[in-house]
Amino acid sequence: AQRVTQPEKLLSVFKGAPVELKCNYSYSGSPELFWYVQYSRQRLQLLLRHISRESIKGFTADLNKGETSFHLKKPFAQEEDSAMYYCALSGRGNKLVFGAGTILRVKS
Amino acid sequence: EPEVTQTPSHQVTQMGQEVILRCVPISNHLYFYWYRQILGQKVEFLVSFYNNEISEKSEIFDDQFSVERPDGSNFTLKIRSTKLEDSAMYFCASVGGGRETQYFGPGTRLLVL
Repeated sequence: AQRVTQPEKLLSVFKGAPVELKCNYSYSGSPELFWYVQYSRQRLQLLLRHISRESIKGFTADLNKGETSFHLKKPFAQEEDSAMYYCALSGRGNKLVFGAGTILRVKS
Repeated sequence: EPEVTQTPSHQVTQMGQEVILRCVPISNHLYFYWYRQILGQKVEFLVSFYNNEISEKSEIFDDQFSVERPDGSNFTLKIRSTKLEDSAMYFCASVGGGRETQYFGPGTRLLVL
């Protein structure tokens, strides 16, 4: 079965603090992992995907196959990072399976 | 930058009525998807569509649902006889031939009374 777990509904940090949004997955093959972000009143948009191994807006995520995790990290949070973050996986057929999402709130 | 568009942004309907949700995918994309998100719950896959036919559908996508690409630009989701539990945000997404990133529309919020 394909499943994505984001254990935290809400993560609240102060500006400048490090951020780690957790994501664990369950999939029998080799999935593609993604982080999507949804800012207030905006559409879902891709933040990053594990294949590209790039840093977007200071965020990085490393796929750990041993721990089946794809945690999203940023060393110094900014207020504009406040949003809903969804971890998702894509297996055969390319449909996306989403986690429940984590609200990141960055306080000044 | 091209975007996926969806209409209407909001729709209120009575239980038992038919609704059609419309999407205009990015023009050179080949793969199309519908997802839904019931308030407070996860975004869930409904159906994928390629080459004018359904390529995969979820358990949610029963006989009350259908999809169509009637004119080469629009991609529609029809719910034949709406139920209260169909109330949700419905998202359309499209992907290019390289099957890399799914681009999402802004969603249609459907409320069934």
